Amino acid sequence: GEDVEQSLFLSVREGDSSVINCTYTDSSSTYLYWYKQEPGAGLQLLTYIFSNMDMKQDQRLTVLLNKKDKHLSLRIADTQTGDSAIYFCAERYDGATNKLIFGTGTLLAVQP
Amino acid sequence: DAMVIQNPRYQVTQFGKPVTLSCSQTLNHNVMYWYQQKSSQAPKLLFHYYDKDFNNEADTPDNFQSRRPNTSFCFLDIRSPGLGDAAMYLCATSGLGSTSPFQETQYFGPGTRLLVL
Repeated sequence: GEDVEQSLFLSVREGDSSVINCTYTDSSSTYLYWYKQEPGAGLQLLTYIFSNMDMKQDQRLTVLLNKKDKHLSLRIADTQTGDSAIYFCAERYDGATNKLIFGTGTLLAVQP
Repeated sequence: DAMVIQNPRYQVTQFGKPVTLSCSQTLNHNVMYWYQQKSSQAPKLLFHYYDKDFNNEADTPDNFQSRRPNTSFCFLDIRSPGLGDAAMYLCATSGLGSTSPFQETQYFGPGTRLLVL
């Protein structure tokens, strides 16, 4: 089946690093994405990584991809209270339509 | 700024009363998607339009319909809303076929929260 799994909850202190993990199922996925959703809002694209890459860095965000283990992670450096949100990973499993399968979402709570 | 716009942001309807949600985009993307997101769950794809071609997901109830009169607009019609249809409805777009992976990414609107009384 097509399941993308994430841990449900992560709590960190302001200024610490956060690492949100995701495991996906389709080894042929070409792109993997991270979206952020604040309460009552839509999904905001944070970053994406192409499947032939191991790592991508974008300011405070670092994405690591272990294709062998089908494991994706998002590291947020110097986490701020404004980073509190739900984070969804998603895999693109149908290139013809760009359909995505979303993970279950991880609620990140940043304590001041 | 180019964007995906959804109206209204909040919609209250009565059980069984038809309701239409609206999405518009200024990105000139050829694909538009509708998702349903219930509380504490991941978004679930209902259907999408690739240009004028409508593509329904196998498990989308018949109660949900969609129209895309032109590139910029797409509507979600719920013919007879039930209590179980209360959710956030998200519209997304992507520029499929572009040489840029950035363009092919799905971009989401702010969502419409539907309440069924």
